[in-house]
Amino acid sequence: NAGVTQTPKFRVLKTGQSMTLLCAQDMNHEYMYWYRQDPGMGLRLIHYSVGEGTTAKGEVPDGYNVSRLKKQNFLLGLESAAPSQTSVYFCASSSPTGVSNTQYFGPGTRLTVL
Amino acid sequence: GDSVTQMEGPVTLSEEAFLTINCTYTATGYPSLFWYVQYPGEGLQLLLKATKADDKGSNKGFEATYRKETTSFHLEKGSVQVSDSAVYFCALSENTNAGKSTFGDGTTLTVKP
Repeated sequence: NAGVTQTPKFRVLKTGQSMTLLCAQDMNHEYMYWYRQDPGMGLRLIHYSVGEGTTAKGEVPDGYNVSRLKKQNFLLGLESAAPSQTSVYFCASSSPTGVSNTQYFGPGTRLTVL
Repeated sequence: GDSVTQMEGPVTLSEEAFLTINCTYTATGYPSLFWYVQYPGEGLQLLLKATKADDKGSNKGFEATYRKETTSFHLEKGSVQVSDSAVYFCALSENTNAGKSTFGDGTTLTVKP
């Protein structure tokens, strides 16, 4: 099992450019999440999904869009990148079965917006 | 809403020293509690967890006990190694909240030989 994978690992954008980050999981998890991690600010939830075809806003959704067309994939889009979106982005997944809601994380995408 | 407060870092220890990283939480229900670890350049991975009061989670020599009366989940290790150098995150998850977790800000641990 690959677990959770993210593409790309690194990206540099110019202000105003767009891009899509891809997250894929092979654990058949229902729930998927996108976070951003900034120095001294921990992890902040951008958007999440509780199943194929559903998405919901998290703590910091502005400037991002997401789609979950297939259960195993969760895409994060930046329509018009801004320097404030320079960050490390993590995808995670979890299963609603059981009691603990352990999240499984990808390796991250480091994005720089110039 | 839910919140997690963990000990501010960074923490620097010598090899074989005792480690404690404090974590307290606020939650409306009865959450599960977690410690995640992030090694340089990697994503977070589960270190240990506890799902109910008085449970003790343990892994790789690390331990934490779910204390409902003090709303705490402090991480401890008796003898740290250089390889334990990482960022540690305390987190909670309410079972009825789409699996969402609330994370602390992270504590950076550096262990020197």
